[in-house]
Amino acid sequence: EAQVTQNPRYLITVTGKKLTVTCSQNMNHEYMSWYRQDPGLGLRQIYYSMNVEVTDKGDVPEGYKVSRKEKRNFPLILESPSPNQTSLYFCASRSAGYRTGELFFGEGSRLTVL
Amino acid sequence: AQTVTQSQPEMSVQEAETVTLSCTYDTSESNYYLFWYKQPPSRQMILVIRQEAYKQQNATENRFSVNFQKAAKSFSLKISDSQLGDTAMYFCAFMMIYGQNFVFGPGTRLSVLP
Repeated sequence: EAQVTQNPRYLITVTGKKLTVTCSQNMNHEYMSWYRQDPGLGLRQIYYSMNVEVTDKGDVPEGYKVSRKEKRNFPLILESPSPNQTSLYFCASRSAGYRTGELFFGEGSRLTVL
Repeated sequence: AQTVTQSQPEMSVQEAETVTLSCTYDTSESNYYLFWYKQPPSRQMILVIRQEAYKQQNATENRFSVNFQKAAKSFSLKISDSQLGDTAMYFCAFMMIYGQNFVFGPGTRLSVLP
């Protein structure tokens, strides 16, 4: 089954304690990205990757890091989480070819930073 | 930069009735994709319908159809014969062909009433 898998689904942590949200896709997609969803703001892109070892900032990258060492994996790293990073996070992937476009999403990770 | 606006934060409709969700966007590009995604209480992001800007014909998927007005930069979603399972948050999204980012609107929360 084609899917994007992210873990953990729920996490409560404290300010400053480093955490990683993993993301893996089994569709051989070149493009992967991370979004955060906040009420009234929709989804905003944090980082994206066009392929292995190629990453770039989205609209709200402050406080986050990513890496793309393998095509299927794209972890999101919060080195020193703060309460304003409490949010719902989505990993997504798509083929980078022309005439595609559809984003496939993971099930979301609810993060609370106390 | 592209922006997407959804002017109706919340809407409700009676079961079996028809409802239209509004979306406008701002871009200077001529080739792009537009999408409607549905997010039910499970939080999963589900593609409802997709429109390619170079196609004049409005996309349809079963009970879902769009009214794409390119000159007006409008992309509304019509849901016919509304069902209780249509209760969800609906996001309008824009992506340039060969683009790096989906731009999402803030969402419209739709409630289908029995």
